[in-house]
Amino acid sequence: DAKTTQPNSMESNEEEPVHLPCNHSTISGTDYIHWYRQLPSQGPEYVIHGLTSNVNNRMASLAIAEDRKSSTLILHRATLRDAAVYYCILNTDKLIFGTGTRLQVFP
Amino acid sequence: DADVTQTPRNRITKTGKRIMLECSQTKGHDRMYWYRQDPGLGLRLIYYSFDVKDINKGEISDGYSVSRQAQAKFSLSLESAIPNQTALYFCATSDTGYYGYTFGSGTRLTVV
Repeated sequence: DAKTTQPNSMESNEEEPVHLPCNHSTISGTDYIHWYRQLPSQGPEYVIHGLTSNVNNRMASLAIAEDRKSSTLILHRATLRDAAVYYCILNTDKLIFGTGTRLQVFP
Repeated sequence: DADVTQTPRNRITKTGKRIMLECSQTKGHDRMYWYRQDPGLGLRLIYYSFDVKDINKGEISDGYSVSRQAQAKFSLSLESAIPNQTALYFCATSDTGYYGYTFGSGTRLTVV
């Protein structure tokens, strides 16, 4: 299964944009890039996914590099509720989790 | 009602006991998954099923078994529980596997 690399932790101030990076240099042509987040004591929550083109939804945007070897999850205005562990996962037919990025948001 | 329901929410059991964790879903999805999460770590895949007649081992299947009783139900069993199986267990479902997964709220299992 293809692997991803994310920073262990990141910090942001409330109402500022946050860019969470993910490297996936061994991605194959059929791997979808998924992002999930996990709040304390909760199950992971789907955020966004994409294959080649940039994607936007009500929660976030996903920017995918042209060579698909990296991607960035963009939270346009961080809130305290966005403090969570964010996982970038390459999905074929199952999700294999890494250790994710712990995002702290300060008031 | 939640789309993915896990029961029980919390369970304490003794070493050597058999225990079953249950998962049911109302999403109508064919694919179901069981994960475990240890403190401070990411989720690890135990077993997964693409339909009622399909069962596949994940990253860490030793000591576990599963049963897919119906499209909507997927149970995880610990045949003889041991303390290092103390963890948070999550069930998940997906449609084709290429789109968003839906996770349950988890079962916190403690083996003493």
